[in-house]
Amino acid sequence: DIQMTQSPSSLSASVGDRVTITCRASQSISSHLNWYQQKPGRAPKLLIYAASSLQSGVPSRFSGSGYGTDFTLTISSLQPEDFATYSCQQTYSFPQTFGQGTRLEIK
Amino acid sequence: EVQLVESGGGLVQPGGSLRLSCAASGFTVSSNYMSWVRQAPGKGLEWVSVIYSGGNTYYADSVKGRFTVSRHDSKNTLYLQMNSLRVEDTAVYYCARERGGTVTHFDYWGQGTLVTVSS
Repeated sequence: DIQMTQSPSSLSASVGDRVTITCRASQSISSHLNWYQQKPGRAPKLLIYAASSLQSGVPSRFSGSGYGTDFTLTISSLQPEDFATYSCQQTYSFPQTFGQGTRLEIK
Repeated sequence: EVQLVESGGGLVQPGGSLRLSCAASGFTVSSNYMSWVRQAPGKGLEWVSVIYSGGNTYYADSVKGRFTVSRHDSKNTLYLQMNSLRVEDTAVYYCARERGGTVTHFDYWGQGTLVTVSS
């Protein structure tokens, strides 16, 4: 199975900050990488698919980049509603796998 | 509006069985790839099973031979039959619709249903 490793595991930031979360795959996954946001007690919400495509309805302050093994999710200016856990997912090979999550907390 | 609503979770003893349901509205289950994804307490997401529009099914190694995914087309509902449950199956179980051509992704998720396996 392809292992997905996110860094950092947790992050403290302030409203207005620019934040970057990294996801690394154990082998190349081309651009088959998705990002999800999850708030406590809620279902995950798709933010970015195919590494850099913004899901409909998601604010443009979210962006994704990367190819192969290294990917990033960037939030350009943190808003109060962005404090949540973010997870990456690869759908390049079976079985699809997720990263362990990055918890974004308020500083 | 697309909506997925899971039900059927609860407390079950090790070795027991449970059937989860996922009622869909706003789209046709049988025309889509539908997956179950679980999340153990304090852990990351883990893909469990998928049923393709053509009816083929696939499972994670951790549940193969114990879980069965199916659907009822007229009820527009997805199911997960879970047998021989283990303590490590304790998790919130989500159903999700899988979309995309070249790069698939889950665009809609249910709210989840908690399965607790404990004696």
